[in-house]
Amino acid sequence: DADVTQTPRNRITKTGKRIMLECSQTKGHDRMYWYRQDPGLGLRLIYYSFDVKDINKGEISDGYSVSRQAQAKFSLSLESAIPNQTALYFCATSRSSSGANVLTFGAGSRLTVL
Amino acid sequence: KQEVTQIPAALSVPEGENLVLNCSFTDSAIYNLQWFRQDPGKGLTSLLLIQSSQREQTSGRLNASLDKSSGRSTLYIAASQPGDSATYLCAVDSNYQLIWGAGTKLIIKP
Repeated sequence: DADVTQTPRNRITKTGKRIMLECSQTKGHDRMYWYRQDPGLGLRLIYYSFDVKDINKGEISDGYSVSRQAQAKFSLSLESAIPNQTALYFCATSRSSSGANVLTFGAGSRLTVL
Repeated sequence: KQEVTQIPAALSVPEGENLVLNCSFTDSAIYNLQWFRQDPGKGLTSLLLIQSSQREQTSGRLNASLDKSSGRSTLYIAASQPGDSATYLCAVDSNYQLIWGAGTKLIIKP
């Protein structure tokens, strides 16, 4: 099994629908992140969490919300999806004690909003 | 604001050639620079991490260099193979957040 698992892997939805992307990890890492990737752009940070009670906005948090249900689970929600949220979404984890910020990524969730 | 640029956006070379991928950044105040590989449907894999105090790191056929003063890093791939085909991304750890380049899509022709 993958260390970082994202579900669903692919999702097509319509404008205005609520969408949740889920991430679970078996790495035992305390830090979790949600990124989005668009063609021609680098990854951009949406939200990050350094532990269960810590949630922080990233560069592009508008239109998104997150929930850290447990150390191993970090969900990303789009309350009312819009077409420009069509992107590839990545969950990542890291360990605060590792010194450098070395990330382990999930395989990605491709979201299409029509 | 830190900005990271990777040029070219795509590169195609014959198998066996040595090649260099480039990454530039605007603010030299970094903690480290990382190179990742992205394969379709498989997420990103960390290749090399260079701390700000280091000049280079090596792993197998890969060698990454860092010149903070000029805001540049290179990833050297020796004796390229078709399995090296992927998108390569660099990321700068600046103020405890990673700032990413858009990547270079590398195709190795058999």
